Amino acid sequence: EDQVTQSPEALRLQEGESSSLNCSYTVSGLRGLFWYRQDPGKGPEFLFTLYSAGEEKEKERLKATLTKKESFLHITAPKPEDSATYLCAVQADGNNRLAFGKGNQVVVIP
Amino acid sequence: NAGVTQTPKFQVLKTGQSMTLQCAQDMNHNSMYWYRQDPGMGLRLIYYSASEGTTDKGEVPNGYNVSRLNKREFSLRLESAAPSQTSVYFCASGPSGRGRETQYFGPGTRLLVL
Repeated sequence: EDQVTQSPEALRLQEGESSSLNCSYTVSGLRGLFWYRQDPGKGPEFLFTLYSAGEEKEKERLKATLTKKESFLHITAPKPEDSATYLCAVQADGNNRLAFGKGNQVVVIP
Repeated sequence: NAGVTQTPKFQVLKTGQSMTLQCAQDMNHNSMYWYRQDPGMGLRLIYYSASEGTTDKGEVPNGYNVSRLNKREFSLRLESAAPSQTSVYFCASGPSGRGRETQYFGPGTRLLVL
């Protein structure tokens, strides 16, 4: 069974204080790893897809990396508008389904 | 483009009542999905449709039925609502239906079953 574990569950950061979120996964053949951002009361918003170990993608203050067992979402010099829950999901070979983790809730304090 | 739209935004039902959640996408995507999100549980797949005319069960299909009405629309029906179905329901769509694809989510329907 595909499993995704995200840590820490919750994180409070001062504005400008860089940090990383972790997504550990167990899957029988990784087809893709996805990061989403979810604001309260809204649907998940797509951020990145990573397909193979060593791959990195960036968007503004966010950078996602992938190894064979985990992915990191690095937040550089965060701003209050980066406050959200970040969701990680994996897709296994031969499977249309995404298996989601429970999320990392990030609060950035001005 | 509106992307993925869902109706209603919020609904209150009594136990045993039925209702249909509607979802539509205007991105010409082949695949569509229904998820539920509960506190502490993460998103769980209820049903999906890889292409028009096909549907398959996901992780938690019991108590639900779906209809892929056409390429744009995918509805989720609760025949006899139970308090355990109180949740936030998200519809999503993806371009290929063949896997290895990004899924794009709607704004959600918040359902309360009393």
